[in-house]
Amino acid sequence: GAGVSQSPSNKVTEKGKDVELRCDPISGHTALYWYRQSLGQGLEFLIYFQGNSAPDKSGLPSDRFSAERTGGSVSTLTIQRTQQEDSAVYLCASRSGTGSNEQFFGPGTRLTVL
Amino acid sequence: LAKTTQPVSMDSYEGQEVNITCSHNNIATNDYITWYQQFPSQGPRFIIQGYKTKVTNEVASLFIPADRKSSTLSLPRVSLSDTAVYYCLVGPDTGRRALTFGSGTRLQVQP
Repeated sequence: GAGVSQSPSNKVTEKGKDVELRCDPISGHTALYWYRQSLGQGLEFLIYFQGNSAPDKSGLPSDRFSAERTGGSVSTLTIQRTQQEDSAVYLCASRSGTGSNEQFFGPGTRLTVL
Repeated sequence: LAKTTQPVSMDSYEGQEVNITCSHNNIATNDYITWYQQFPSQGPRFIIQGYKTKVTNEVASLFIPADRKSSTLSLPRVSLSDTAVYYCLVGPDTGRRALTFGSGTRLQVQP
């Protein structure tokens, strides 16, 4: 019974480098979300995928952030030219898509930009 | 999206009942009310969801008045392990709209 998995669990990078964060949702879940959470803060919505529909990118903070979801399953969040303010925990969640608002969260990726 | 308003923080003692109220004045007809719990260094965890009246599960109860403009999460007999941040979300259970988390209510349970 696999839940949502994310990799890597921790990522330390230098300012200006690109990073890729991966999310493996629960099999069969059609909805996938990316959030980020800075220390002691609430969750900040980044992007939402629902089935084959165009993603809701309204939460992406800048054009340095992008995400894709291949084959309706695995998703990758890419941050280009990382800045120190990008340091946060990046959380991925999936949802079955119908009948419940229960989102299942992964353990997150802690990103530190030096 | 329906905007939600919750208290920033609450304090309680072990064994007490805790009620956290969330305001959502512009809730839509097809919106559900969902609550999540988040412990430090973990992702949020679903607690309960409801549409109207009262919903109860093994963890909590959710009270929703007839006008649905607010909801109250009730945690019976809290323990130290209930110290967490609690988030109220409002949105449909299907469709293209993303549910977004507000800043939540930080509950601190004291011995």
